[in-house]
Amino acid sequence: QKEVEQNSGPLSVPEGAIASLNCTYSDRGSQSFFWYRQYSGKSPELIMSIYSNGDKEDGRFTAQLNKASQYVSLLIRDSQPSDSATYLCAVRPSGGSYIPTFGRGTSLIVHP
Amino acid sequence: NAGVTQTPKFQVLKTGQSMTLQCAQDMNHNSMYWYRQDPGMGLRLIYYSASEGTTDKGEVPNGYNVSRLNKREFSLRLESAAPSQTSVYFCASSEETDNNEQFFGPGTRLTVL
Repeated sequence: QKEVEQNSGPLSVPEGAIASLNCTYSDRGSQSFFWYRQYSGKSPELIMSIYSNGDKEDGRFTAQLNKASQYVSLLIRDSQPSDSATYLCAVRPSGGSYIPTFGRGTSLIVHP
Repeated sequence: NAGVTQTPKFQVLKTGQSMTLQCAQDMNHNSMYWYRQDPGMGLRLIYYSASEGTTDKGEVPNGYNVSRLNKREFSLRLESAAPSQTSVYFCASSEETDNNEQFFGPGTRLTVL
């Protein structure tokens, strides 16, 4: 069973702070990594994807991938109350399957 | 572009009733998926269709059937609903590429009494 693990939270940060969300995965040969944001009562929305080691920045979001340590993280700079949501990590495994495995998500609360 | 659409948005069934959840996408994607999401369980794959004319079981297929009607449409059928099928159902689509970024519909909230 190829697993994707996330701390369920909630992670609570003050407005303006950096929120750091982490995800570990068991399949060392995993190819592609995704972060989805899901507001309460809504569907998941893709916010970042990363495919190679290192950092990838998009606005206030930075995804970090370390394949040797088998973790991927999402940093949200200058957190806003509108960032309060559940963040799902998804990992495309090795072995030919293109279907990602989802973690159970981390709940983020940004308080004013 | 509407992206991925699902109908209905809400449904209440009695145990033993049947129903079909509809999904359509206008992004010309080859692959489509049905997930269910339960509190504390994350997203679990029910069935998927890699391309028109093909369907495959996912992690939790029991009690469900699917039909890939054409490239745009992928339906999920509950033949005899059970309370354990109370959940939120999401349809998604993607290009079948190395990246496979998935796009989700708004979901159907199903309650089985």
